[in-house]
Amino acid sequence: DVQLLESGGGLVQPGGSLRLSCAASGFTFSSYAMSWVRQAPGKGLEWVSSIGTRGPDTFYADSVKGRFTISRDNSRNTLYLQMNSLRAEDTAVYYCANQRYTSSSVDYWGPGTLVTVSS
Amino acid sequence: DIQMTQSPSSLSASVGDRVTITCRASQGIRDDLGWYQQKPGRAPKRLIYAASTLQSGVPSRFSGSGSGTEFTLTISSLQPEDFATYYCLQYDSYPRTFGQGTNLEIK
Repeated sequence: DVQLLESGGGLVQPGGSLRLSCAASGFTFSSYAMSWVRQAPGKGLEWVSSIGTRGPDTFYADSVKGRFTISRDNSRNTLYLQMNSLRAEDTAVYYCANQRYTSSSVDYWGPGTLVTVSS
Repeated sequence: DIQMTQSPSSLSASVGDRVTITCRASQGIRDDLGWYQQKPGRAPKRLIYAASTLQSGVPSRFSGSGSGTEFTLTISSLQPEDFATYYCLQYDSYPRTFGQGTNLEIK
């Protein structure tokens, strides 16, 4: 079974940084593109970023471009999201999800990790 | 960016009812559309991709249709476990965009 498990969320002050991780199992991680999607409290889903199988192929929402960096370590079956210059509006549950190709829709999702940006 | 307009934003229905949710894209997206179900406190789950292809394990009472700019998700006979929030997602181009969501409630 596909399993995705996010970690690294927590409380951080505005302007601070946080790195999220997503441990993957149950599928050939190196053969799948991956994405991050977030959901602010009581709000809808917002796509954040996607990455191809080898890394150079990356995509970002305008709201996070220049502040967030998506990366992956295929040897560790792990996806990352480095988040810098955090703002209150970045407060959300962050989900990682897999997709067969960067051109595909997201398929399986992890349970999410909560990031709270507040002083 | 492609805007996805989903309607209605909320819907009250009874067990056994047939319901339809619509998503409209601001420009043509071929059939690059997925539908997701989310229950409170849980991660979304994909129901349909490529506008009309049912995800493995999803009951056949769920169906999707459409192409280009108009898409629908239909639940043929609502079951108690179907009360949830539903989202469409376009994956024709980046940035990916979701519809605003439809909260399906028990009447």
